[in-house]
Amino acid sequence: DAGVTQSPTHLIKTRGQQVTLRCSPKSGHDTVSWYQQALGQGPQFIFQYYEEEERQRGNFPDRFSGHQFPNYSSELNVNALLLGDSALYLCASSRQGFCNQPQHFGDGTRLSIL
Amino acid sequence: DAKTTQPNSMESNEEEPVHLPCNHSTISGTDYIHWYRQLPSQGPEYVIHGLTSNVNNRMASLAIAEDRKSSTLILHRATLRDAAVYYCILRDCSNAGGTSYGKLTFGQGTILTVHP
Repeated sequence: DAGVTQSPTHLIKTRGQQVTLRCSPKSGHDTVSWYQQALGQGPQFIFQYYEEEERQRGNFPDRFSGHQFPNYSSELNVNALLLGDSALYLCASSRQGFCNQPQHFGDGTRLSIL
Repeated sequence: DAKTTQPNSMESNEEEPVHLPCNHSTISGTDYIHWYRQLPSQGPEYVIHGLTSNVNNRMASLAIAEDRKSSTLILHRATLRDAAVYYCILRDCSNAGGTSYGKLTFGQGTILTVHP
């Protein structure tokens, strides 16, 4: 049973560029959440998708957007990249309606901005 | 968002029990207490969670204070593979306004070092 998979594992971009990160949830999960983890910090919640709609959003600018597909996979898009966007981006999946159950995380995409 | 407070770091010896404390004095009745750990170069890994009663699983035990303002994660016999950052998280599972999607709010966590 495959867990949460993310691609790519590493990415290098320059300031001003745009990036798309991808996530496939664990089998049986229908909800995808995205987190940003700066070096030495805990993950920070970006947003959550369920039924192809953004359901909850953290304190992130509109440069961060996402999408969820009918197969529950998800993309995170970041426009106009800044040096401060350098971080580990984590995807987590879960089952809607089972809030008391854990989220399962992928190993993340390491994004470096030059 | 309800906040948690954890020590920045703790140390243990291999084969000894480890008690990782967490304070959450502003916890609400619908907050579940979750513990995750994160090994270097990996995503967070679920450890255990509970609401009011103490919980046990194959990885650890969770002891929750009667007033729910604090909890303790117990690793019964630490191994070198348990060296990680441990996060205590309150997950809001309320249904106010119709829906709560239960985002996780991470703090700084506790860096656990295990000595051979």
